Amino acid sequence: GAVVSQHPSRVICKSGTSVKIECRSLDFQATTMFWYRQFPKQSLMLMATSNEGSKATYEQGVEKDKFLINHASLTLSTLTVTSAHPEDSSFYICSALTGGSNTIYFGEGSWLTVV
Amino acid sequence: QKEVEQDPGPLSVPEGAIVSLNCTYSNSAFQYFMWYRQYSRKGPELLMYTYSSGNKEDGRFTAQVDKSSKYISLFIRDSQPSDSATYLCAYEGSGSARQLTFGSGTQLTVLP
Repeated sequence: GAVVSQHPSRVICKSGTSVKIECRSLDFQATTMFWYRQFPKQSLMLMATSNEGSKATYEQGVEKDKFLINHASLTLSTLTVTSAHPEDSSFYICSALTGGSNTIYFGEGSWLTVV
Repeated sequence: QKEVEQDPGPLSVPEGAIVSLNCTYSNSAFQYFMWYRQYSRKGPELLMYTYSSGNKEDGRFTAQVDKSSKYISLFIRDSQPSDSATYLCAYEGSGSARQLTFGSGTQLTVLP
C-alpha cells in the first residue's frame, strides 16, 4: 500500500525554540495533506488541511502563526511549531490523500516533547 | 454533545473471543464510516471503510452501520493477541474536503 513517512519520529526541544516535522508521501502524489494532533488517551484532532501550492486551512482554535504549515510540493508537507511550549508536547500525525484512488493514508506520527 | 461518542474502555478479552466495539454520532452529514486500528505510539491504519447501512465483512472483521440510529459497530471474530490496540471510529462528511472526525478510541487487550 501507499506509504506516508514522517520525520522525525521523536523530537525533544527546548521551550521557546521552533521545531519542524516533515510528512512525505513516498510513492504517490498527495494533493491534500492533513495534520492532526493527539494527546495521550485522546482522539486525533484535525489541526489543518493543506493543499499543494496554497495556504493551509486551519481548524477553529488552532493558531496559524504558531503552527506553520507548508505544502510546497505534491510529496512533502511540513509542520513547524514555533516558540514551542510544554503544552505543545503531543503526538502529531499527518495523512495524505491520493489523487488516483482517493484514499487517505496516515503517517507513523511524530512525538514532540517540549522541555 | 460531542459529534462522536466512543467508549474508551479499556476492554480485555480472552483470545478467541468475539469483540464488539461501538460508536454513536450526532452529525447527520456524516456519510462515510471507517474503523482504524492504532498500535501504541504509531499512526492509525485503516481497517474498514463503508458508506451505507448494513454489514461489511473483511476476514475476521465486520463493520456494521445503522444510519437511522447513527450507530456503527466493529466486530472482531476469533480475536488474537495481535489485535491488542486502540480502535478508532472515524467519520467523513459528504463534502469534498475529506476531513475525518475521530472517536476517542477504545483500548483493546486480547489476553493469550
